Amino acid sequence: DTGVSQNPRHKITKRGQNVTFRCDPISEHNRLYWYRQTLGQGPEFLTYFQNEAQLEKSRLLSDRFSAERPKGSFSTLEIQRTEQGDSAMYLCASSPPGDHEQYFGPGTRLTVT
Amino acid sequence: DQQVKQNSPSLSVQEGRISILNCDYTNSMFDYFLWYKKYPAEGPTFLISISSIKDKNEDGRFTVFLNKSAKHLSLHIVPSQPGDSAVYFCAASGGYSGGGADGLTFGKGTHLIIQP
Repeated sequence: DTGVSQNPRHKITKRGQNVTFRCDPISEHNRLYWYRQTLGQGPEFLTYFQNEAQLEKSRLLSDRFSAERPKGSFSTLEIQRTEQGDSAMYLCASSPPGDHEQYFGPGTRLTVT
Repeated sequence: DQQVKQNSPSLSVQEGRISILNCDYTNSMFDYFLWYKKYPAEGPTFLISISSIKDKNEDGRFTVFLNKSAKHLSLHIVPSQPGDSAVYFCAASGGYSGGGADGLTFGKGTHLIIQP
């Protein structure tokens, strides 16, 4: 297994456009997490899934953000009507059953112009 | 408010010596703590963790110490090697719902520089 993968690695978009990111977790990891990281900060939790159920959302996840994990495998994070403040690194992590450790992908860097 | 704090933005250590990275937390519901290492343009890499019921965990050159009464943990790296130069993040879980499967709360990181 090659670890958590994320696509695309970089995305440049104009303000007001919609963007979608994909995360493929490590196989057999039932939990999947999304984080956002801005310059000089640590990753900030956005939301998490156990299998296909979205169990927790941070207050950072505004109505313009939506995440899905159909069939409990890969996940997508969509941002609608992007704003310049959405520019950040979006990180995905997965975790196997019963473990606290989360394993991160390389991230998708979003730049909103 | 910052529930996990890493007060040293950077730390410079000579190769072969001990590196000590510190982390403080405020939320007493945190029950599991982790350290991650991050290189530029990569995601964080898990290093070592510790449960709140323990005070020490060791893995090779890396040791994490937890002082619950002081709400403080530290990561010791000995001996320090050039490849250890990276940003180190302290993270904690259990602060959202008290369970073990919720999101991690991270500090802002400490940039460790190992000098030859």
